[in-house]
Amino acid sequence: EIVMTQSPATLSVSPGERATLSCRASQSVSSNLAWYQQKPGQAPRLLIYAASTRASGIPARFSGSGFGTEFTLTISSLQSEDSAVYYCQHYNDWLTFGGGTMVEIK
Amino acid sequence: QVQLVESGGGVVQPGRSLRLSCAASGFTFSSHAIHWVRQAPGKGLEWVAVISYDGSNSYYADSVQGRFTISRDNSKNTLYLHMNSLRAEDTAVYYCARVQFEPVVFYGMDVWGQGTTVTVSS
Repeated sequence: EIVMTQSPATLSVSPGERATLSCRASQSVSSNLAWYQQKPGQAPRLLIYAASTRASGIPARFSGSGFGTEFTLTISSLQSEDSAVYYCQHYNDWLTFGGGTMVEIK
Repeated sequence: QVQLVESGGGVVQPGRSLRLSCAASGFTFSSHAIHWVRQAPGKGLEWVAVISYDGSNSYYADSVQGRFTISRDNSKNTLYLHMNSLRAEDTAVYYCARVQFEPVVFYGMDVWGQGTTVTVSS
């Protein structure tokens, strides 16, 4: 089973600043990676798929990059509504989620 | 609009069974694989199971293999999760989620239900 490890566990960022979230796979998943945002009491929301493609309706300040085992989600200019937990998920012949990164507004 | 609505959650004793349902609307249900994903209280997301668009293939997480069965009725636009031999560690919010592209099974999930809560307790 491929293990997905996210870091940091918690990230505190000021409004307007950049937030950088990391996701590492225990073995290569090619570009078969998605990112989700989950706010308290809500279902997850797909942000990014195929490592770098924004899902429909997702603001341009969200971007994804990476290939193989190292991936990054960047929020270029953090807004108050971006406070949430962010999960990565691989879908390379199977499916597992990372443990999540909580993004707080400083 | 495109929507998934779960139902069937509740409080159940350890060892008992429960069936969850997920009703789809606003899209061609029979063209998409559908997953069940759960979230224990205060914890992260855990993938549970997936069924292909036509029901011919299904896959399970090790933690539920042999106890849970995923099925679908495309004539009723409904997905099911039959849960047997329930344990305390199965306590979670259970979400159904649509695979964004047809007919693949493992991909991103672009439509999620609001979740239904299962509590396993004596």
